[in-house]
Amino acid sequence: GAGVSQTPSNKVTEKGKYVELRCDPISGHTALYWYRQSLGQGPEFLIYFQGTGAADDSGLPNDRFFAVRPEGSVSTLKIQRTERGDSAVYLCASSSTGGSTDTQYFGPGTRLTVL
Amino acid sequence: TQLLEQSPQFLSIQEGENLTVYCNSSSVFSSLQWYRQEPGEGPVLLVTVVTGGEVKKLKRLTFQFGDARKDSSLHITAAQPGDTGLYLCAGGEETSGSRLTFGEGTQLTVNP
Repeated sequence: GAGVSQTPSNKVTEKGKYVELRCDPISGHTALYWYRQSLGQGPEFLIYFQGTGAADDSGLPNDRFFAVRPEGSVSTLKIQRTERGDSAVYLCASSSTGGSTDTQYFGPGTRLTVL
Repeated sequence: TQLLEQSPQFLSIQEGENLTVYCNSSSVFSSLQWYRQEPGEGPVLLVTVVTGGEVKKLKRLTFQFGDARKDSSLHITAAQPGDTGLYLCAGGEETSGSRLTFGEGTQLTVNP
């Protein structure tokens, strides 16, 4: 079956611009996660959705970052007034129920470059 | 914030050699997962360990969770070029739901 998909695969933008990154989770998965991976680092947690609601947004670095999942499936990560330090690969993952030992299936990521 | 330290960061070995990657923390985790990541792709789960002292084997890979659930190791026997990749450990914490805390990763290169 289809895995987690993310679009675009690459995004280049200028400092100060607004960007949206999209995640399509595995069909039927109620839990959705966003992580950020900088070069040479492991993924860093950003936010976790259970259904339509953000169950844990403690990883969002500041108020320029916002994410939504209005219908409990597709999610969009929104970054306002982008900065060069936002450059990273943004990974999305989904799991069937969100349990602590549930397998998280990752998408290929969106590589964001802020010039 | 709980941290996971992985060592070594980089490992380059010859085909047929054995290797061990370590993942350590000062904090207790309810579960420990190992992932492998290829360039341009997301991490793929290899194994989840949840019980202190647990050992799991996956073909030539052996995973161990420390008795105190603060550390873990991944041992590969007779490494092959196809094992090349970034290996990541990730801890799940009971108090923080299902968010994962990742280590920095070990970049393994197996030369033919």
